[in-house]
Amino acid sequence: DTGVSQDPRHKITKRGQNVTFRCDPISEHNRLYWYRQTLGQGPEFLTYFQNEAQLEKSRLLSDRFSAERPKGSFSTLEIQRTEQGDSAMYLCASSLLGQIYNEQFFGPGTRLTVL
Amino acid sequence: LAKTTQPISMDSYEGQEVNITCSHNNIATNDYITWYQQFPSQGPRFIIQGYKTKVTNEVASLFIPADRKSSTLSLPRVSLSDTAVYYCLVGDIPDKIIFGKGTRLHILP
Repeated sequence: DTGVSQDPRHKITKRGQNVTFRCDPISEHNRLYWYRQTLGQGPEFLTYFQNEAQLEKSRLLSDRFSAERPKGSFSTLEIQRTEQGDSAMYLCASSLLGQIYNEQFFGPGTRLTVL
Repeated sequence: LAKTTQPISMDSYEGQEVNITCSHNNIATNDYITWYQQFPSQGPRFIIQGYKTKVTNEVASLFIPADRKSSTLSLPRVSLSDTAVYYCLVGDIPDKIIFGKGTRLHILP
């Protein structure tokens, strides 16, 4: 257990539905990241926050995806009008700016299945 | 973006030392080299990070030659529980870091 939690762990939805995932980072960590991972591939960067500010979004993050981190604590990732291609593991990670570069602490992930 | 190349898979036996080499020919001056380990159905776990020469922690060693165009992760005396995917990452900014496909390490009894 890294101290990063994600909810839910599994989500099955029908195409066209909206889904929302939550990530609770390690409490003192000011950076929070979202990744998507499909079978046999490494995690793909989606977006990251420093405190409540969203600093970067990948081109992978279409307008159907939105992420928030109100008050710089937990974060939510919402996918609207889900498509079968959205089926993947969604990983959240957190880190402390000023500590070791790139030492991110990952949560267990939310596995999304779009039928 | 600094691209990395690592073997797709490797096999080794329990008790052996395992070395996984990663190529990163276009590494930038500010880039660090970081290795992660991932077990099935879990998020990746940080193993080690370095900039140049050699870094050692309680889990692994990281060897980086002077030109920094490659790096080698060394796992001493592996066990079955070291069976996992190992990712080599290069970069200094989160959105510029690419995990790639990693190296699937399979430890045999």
